Amino acid sequence: DTAVSQTPKYLVTQMGNDKSIKCEQNLGHDTMYWYKQDSKKFLKIMFSYNNKELIINETVPNRFSPKSPDKAHLNLHINSLELGDSAVYFCASKDRGLEQYFGPGTRLTVT
Amino acid sequence: DQQVKQNSPSLSVQEGRISILNCDYTNSMFDYFLWYKKYPAEGPTFLISISSIKDKNEDGRFTVFLNKSAKHLSLHIVPSQPGDSAVYFCAATGTSGSRLTFGEGTQLTVNP
Repeated sequence: DTAVSQTPKYLVTQMGNDKSIKCEQNLGHDTMYWYKQDSKKFLKIMFSYNNKELIINETVPNRFSPKSPDKAHLNLHINSLELGDSAVYFCASKDRGLEQYFGPGTRLTVT
Repeated sequence: DQQVKQNSPSLSVQEGRISILNCDYTNSMFDYFLWYKKYPAEGPTFLISISSIKDKNEDGRFTVFLNKSAKHLSLHIVPSQPGDSAVYFCAATGTSGSRLTFGEGTQLTVNP
């Protein structure tokens, strides 16, 4: 009964491939996020959806495309993977409060 | 432009003593501040928050202090326990709460 879950937890792939990371929350929250934690450990917001509508789109290469089929799911698709995409990607959700609830992360390694 | 900074990448304290983690911010529009704790291979978990209209918020062993004029906040953990060993992230947001800006984290190690 994990609140925010992500699959897969680890992803190793080669440059140029296309991959997806899935996120699901069972908290009934309206807002979901994708964050990237790079090698310097910064957590940076990438996207946010509210009720399936994109509300935050940071300066992210357009190879990254989020998709929200319903308000409980927010998936991240990455085209033409590059070495610099290697990072840990976190999904998060929140309701009307301020606290965001994070998933366990997906460690992406591009070789 | 790093709007939230945690200048100490690491902190080591003895069990039972006080841990003080610091955070500075530059954006005057921030209204709420949050602390998150992160264990290896897990996502960050919310610990405690404070509104800019307060200067202190306490929850058990955890207290957050806010000095708005200095744009500085700190998290006090007392007494520190080995299970508190984790990376602590400071985060800030505006009134809408739609976007969190994180600091780079401080690795706290509590030695038995």
